[in-house]
Amino acid sequence: GAGVSQSPRYKVAKRGQDVALRCDPISGHVSLFWYQQALGQGPEFLTYFQNEAQLDKSGLPSDRFFAERPEGSVSTLKIQRTQQEDSAVYLCASSLGGQGARGYTFGSGTRLTVV
Amino acid sequence: AQSVTQLDSQVPVFEEAPVELRCNYSSSVSVYLFWYVQYPNQGLQLLLKYLSGSTLVKGINGFEAEFNKSQTSFHLRKPSVHISDTAEYFCAVSEGTGRRALTFGSGTRLQVQP
Repeated sequence: GAGVSQSPRYKVAKRGQDVALRCDPISGHVSLFWYQQALGQGPEFLTYFQNEAQLDKSGLPSDRFFAERPEGSVSTLKIQRTQQEDSAVYLCASSLGGQGARGYTFGSGTRLTVV
Repeated sequence: AQSVTQLDSQVPVFEEAPVELRCNYSSSVSVYLFWYVQYPNQGLQLLLKYLSGSTLVKGINGFEAEFNKSQTSFHLRKPSVHISDTAEYFCAVSEGTGRRALTFGSGTRLQVQP
């Protein structure tokens, strides 16, 4: 596609519920990144994929957070047993291989509200 | 570890006035520097980036920034702002050595008043 597509745009979850957030990167972009942006803060790095390989997951805040990209294209960020502190905008970005942060394109994000 | 400080959380300015948004960073290695803009309920859009070469970088929408290595700063400027520039602005840094993640500042809210 022309841009990075994220779905859903908005998600309301009850505390304890599992959620899955989808990212569809730009076609041909081998690198994919997930960020978490809490209200009033800058985005914080969660995890990075190159093709289907998860090369860096140092930013995942707990073992309730899990990301996958099984075919090297679409990625899913899953949060198990959601808690109120998980409320944030989750941003996905993709880039061509080798460009890293120099060539990011961000999606519009998924706003997760845990009630 | 690298970090980014945006000293001003909010900057109010009148339309057609100049503006400077401040950004300081710390890193033990060489870095790439970025400014992003975020409009309400939207993702991040790249304004400009410094990778190497000339320390004065020009971006979209009339913005420019200057990399100052000795002061570890990368301030964003625009000589004359418009109402449409009202948004959140984020400074970010990435290590030039290969780690691909961005470290962001906490953002500056630019509020342009008529």
